[in-house]
Amino acid sequence: GQNIDQPTEMTATEGAIVQINCTYQTSGFNGLFWYQQHAGEAPTFLSYNVLDGLEEKGRFSSFLSRSKGYSYLLLKELQMKDSASYLCAVDAGNNRKLIWGLGTSLAVNP
Amino acid sequence: SQTIHQWPATLVQPVGSPLSLECTVEGTSNPNLYWYRQAAGRGLQLLFYSVGIGQISSEVPQNLSASRPQDRQFILSSKKLLLSDSGFYLCAWSRGGGTILNTEAFFGQGTRLTVV
Repeated sequence: GQNIDQPTEMTATEGAIVQINCTYQTSGFNGLFWYQQHAGEAPTFLSYNVLDGLEEKGRFSSFLSRSKGYSYLLLKELQMKDSASYLCAVDAGNNRKLIWGLGTSLAVNP
Repeated sequence: SQTIHQWPATLVQPVGSPLSLECTVEGTSNPNLYWYRQAAGRGLQLLFYSVGIGQISSEVPQNLSASRPQDRQFILSSKKLLLSDSGFYLCAWSRGGGTILNTEAFFGQGTRLTVV
């Protein structure tokens, strides 16, 4: 079967660094996505990894290890506006459908 | 640039009433189109996807249906709504074809449906 696991909730302090992990077991792999979703809004694209290693994009970085079925999203210099749900999704190569995790709700406190 | 429009933003409907949510995409051709539902505190559940006009794949058997009458138009319908149909409905598109990034999904603003 297809499965994606990520923590349900995390809490961090403004200005700090937080790492959100995602593990996956899928029948195939064409890439892993991270999305940010603020309450009541649609998800917005953050990053895409298809090769092992770290992709850096400003305050956000995403890491992938295909052999371990593992990814993480790293958020630096946290701001209050980073409080949101972070969704991990995998393209398992199944007719262009993404398999979604349930999301990690991040609360950034002052 | 590509844009996606989804309406209405909020909707309150009585049980047993019909439903029609519409989604249109601009600035691209032959997109893959998706309808998702997100229940409160839950992840994204794929309801339907379409790779072309008139081509609909259903992921979850239920009282909802989808249609794609035009290349960039995707409609979610129901003849009789149930209480369990309440949720946040999201339309999304991704690039068609075989490029490696073709599954990045771009979402509409969402429709919050409350069935009462």
